[in-house]
Amino acid sequence: AQRVTQPEKLLSVFKGAPVELKCNYSYSGSPELFWYVQYSRQRLQLLLRHISRESIKGFTADLNKGETSFHLKKPFAQEEDSAMYYCALENNAGNMLTFGGGTRLMVKP
Amino acid sequence: EAGVVQSPRYKIIEKKQPVAFWCNPISGHNTLYWYRQNLGQGPELLIRYENEEAVDDSQLPKDRFSAERLKGVDSTLKIQPAELGDSAVYLCASSPHPGAGEDRKQYFGPGTRLTVL
Repeated sequence: AQRVTQPEKLLSVFKGAPVELKCNYSYSGSPELFWYVQYSRQRLQLLLRHISRESIKGFTADLNKGETSFHLKKPFAQEEDSAMYYCALENNAGNMLTFGGGTRLMVKP
Repeated sequence: EAGVVQSPRYKIIEKKQPVAFWCNPISGHNTLYWYRQNLGQGPELLIRYENEEAVDDSQLPKDRFSAERLKGVDSTLKIQPAELGDSAVYLCASSPHPGAGEDRKQYFGPGTRLTVL
C-alpha cells in the first residue's frame, strides 16, 4: 500500500522567511513524487515533480529515499505563495496517484 | 484551452436523492480520473478510465456509486441514493498518457461541491 503523510495542517510564516513543507511517504517500490498546489479559488495544479529536478516559483523538493521524504522548500516566502499544498506519490505503473492531506501555507506581510 | 470542465460547480440535495456530476476532459486526453476530496483531506481516487474502459474502480463504493464514459470522452459520476457522508468535493482530472514518460501530469477540473442535507 502507498501512503503520503503531511504532518502539518497549517504553516504560517512571515514574508521573506524560509519555508519547508514536510512530506513523508510509504511505498515498497520506487516512487515518483509530486507537489500540487491550489491557490484560492483556483483549481489544483502541478507545482513540481521530483524527476524533473526543477525549481518552480523558487520552490524545490529533494527526494530522500533514506528518510522517505520529499519536503518542499523555498528560501524566501512571498505573500502570493499562500495556498494549499499537496504532496502526491505515483505508483510504478504510473496509474495511481495518492495524495497527502495537504498543508495550508499562510505567508503574512 | 478551457481545461477540464465540470458541472455543476455546486449541488445541494437531501439525503436519499440521486445526483450526477459531469466532466469533459481536455481534448485528446485518454485517461480520466474521478476523485473525492473530503473536507480537510487530500483527493482520493474513485475510478480511472483509459478511453471508455474503467481500469481501476477498486475505491468506488459500488452499492451507490456508478460512473460511465461511453464514448471515451465525457464522463458522468452518479450517486444513488446520496448519504450525508457523501458531502465532499468531487474532482475530475485527465492526462494525455496512461503514465509513461514526462506526461504523467494530471490536469484537474474545478470540482463539484456536493452538500447532502
